[in-house]
Amino acid sequence: QVQLQESGPGLVKPSQTLSLTCTVSGGSISTGGYYWSWIRQHPGKGLEWIGYIYYNGNTYYRNPSLESRLTISVDTSKNQFSLRLSSVTAADTAVYHCARMTTWGHWFDPWGQGTLVTVSS
Amino acid sequence: QSALTQPASVSGSPGQSITISCTGTSSDVGIYNYVSWYQQHAGEAPKLMIYEVSNRPSGVSNRFSGSKSGNTASLTISGLQAEDEADYYCSSYTRSNTPYVFGTGTKVTVL
Repeated sequence: QVQLQESGPGLVKPSQTLSLTCTVSGGSISTGGYYWSWIRQHPGKGLEWIGYIYYNGNTYYRNPSLESRLTISVDTSKNQFSLRLSSVTAADTAVYHCARMTTWGHWFDPWGQGTLVTVSS
Repeated sequence: QSALTQPASVSGSPGQSITISCTGTSSDVGIYNYVSWYQQHAGEAPKLMIYEVSNRPSGVSNRFSGSKSGNTASLTISGLQAEDEADYYCSSYTRSNTPYVFGTGTKVTVL
């Protein structure tokens, strides 16, 4: 059973870069057939799709409000993928989830529990 | 891309049935059968309950069912149980700039 776990700093200063890692267990990222995604949830609000990456490094961002500040990368040797969001502001304060999506469908399963990142000086 | 619209809260007594609506547009729910539903208990990871409008993943109770009519998708929980108390989110593939949009979320309370 595949499980995902996010990790990274819980506090980031404004204008700095937010960096998170998602560790995949119970299965290999390199197997193929899945997109590895990031989704965030602002406090008390709904969910926002951020982007995803394939095991070969191909990325798909397509979120105009984030695209210019966003980098998603993958490390198959560690079975991890990562998120970097630069020039953060208080508006980037959210719980960040990683999730898996099949290449033949449009649903997310499973998800990581999420990690709260607060942007504050 | 605006979020899909869900009622903020829905409640019911044990054993009853409740339905959560998810209203989108002709750019998402209305033209794609890629609506999914997620259950999220406080402090936990969201869990996939329904995919492609009405399909249940293995292990999800058959008390959960999904449907769609026009621009509105629905999740019905029958035989409501205490463990169903959680937040529920819908999601749809969309042809707008951002390919996936989520609902505003519905808090289900079991009375």
